[in-house]
Amino acid sequence: NAGVTQTPKFRILKIGQSMTLQCAQDMNHNYMYWYRQDPGMGLKLIYYSVGAGITDKGEVPNGYNVSRSTTEDFPLRLELAAPSQTSVYFCASRLASSGANVLTFGAGSRLTVL
Amino acid sequence: DAKTTQPPSMDCAEGRAANLPCNHSTISGNEYVYWYRQIHSQGPQYIIHGLKNNETNEMASLIITEDRKSSTLILPHATLRDTAVYYCIVKGGTSYGKLTFGQGTILTVHP
Repeated sequence: NAGVTQTPKFRILKIGQSMTLQCAQDMNHNYMYWYRQDPGMGLKLIYYSVGAGITDKGEVPNGYNVSRSTTEDFPLRLELAAPSQTSVYFCASRLASSGANVLTFGAGSRLTVL
Repeated sequence: DAKTTQPPSMDCAEGRAANLPCNHSTISGNEYVYWYRQIHSQGPQYIIHGLKNNETNEMASLIITEDRKSSTLILPHATLRDTAVYYCIVKGGTSYGKLTFGQGTILTVHP
């Protein structure tokens, strides 16, 4: 049981390049989330998904796209990288149920856009 | 989801108890209180949660007021490794997926 796995851990992009941050979970969680965290700041929700085929915008979705073709995977796509997207990105998941459900985070992906 | 309010920062001496407050005055009956912490850019880590009763685990204790409008996370014997940002979140189990974080409380444990 690996939990939430994010790849890559580190990446440097040039302005205008595109890339995909991968997120996979093996806990059969239906809800998945992408957050970004700028230096010294809190977590901001980018996109989330409540199940395969269903995604929705969070607080800061501009410049990003997501898809959820399977329960396990929730990739985050940056189409035209900008310096403002330099940040640490965290993926998380939880199982929505009638009781309590804990959010499990990945270790993060540190992205620098130069 | 209920909004939470936390002090931006707190200090604590090593070995003493750290008491971190959280206000959630608009909490509804089926919403749980969760606490997470984030140590220096690592992924946030779950600490504890509760609904009505006080809870304790190996990491911390959670005290929820009788009216459920506020709670306190207690780290009974704080260590330097407890220096982190602590987030209080209120969420219902089956409430719709969107889940946002506030700024949290920066706890600094001093020698």
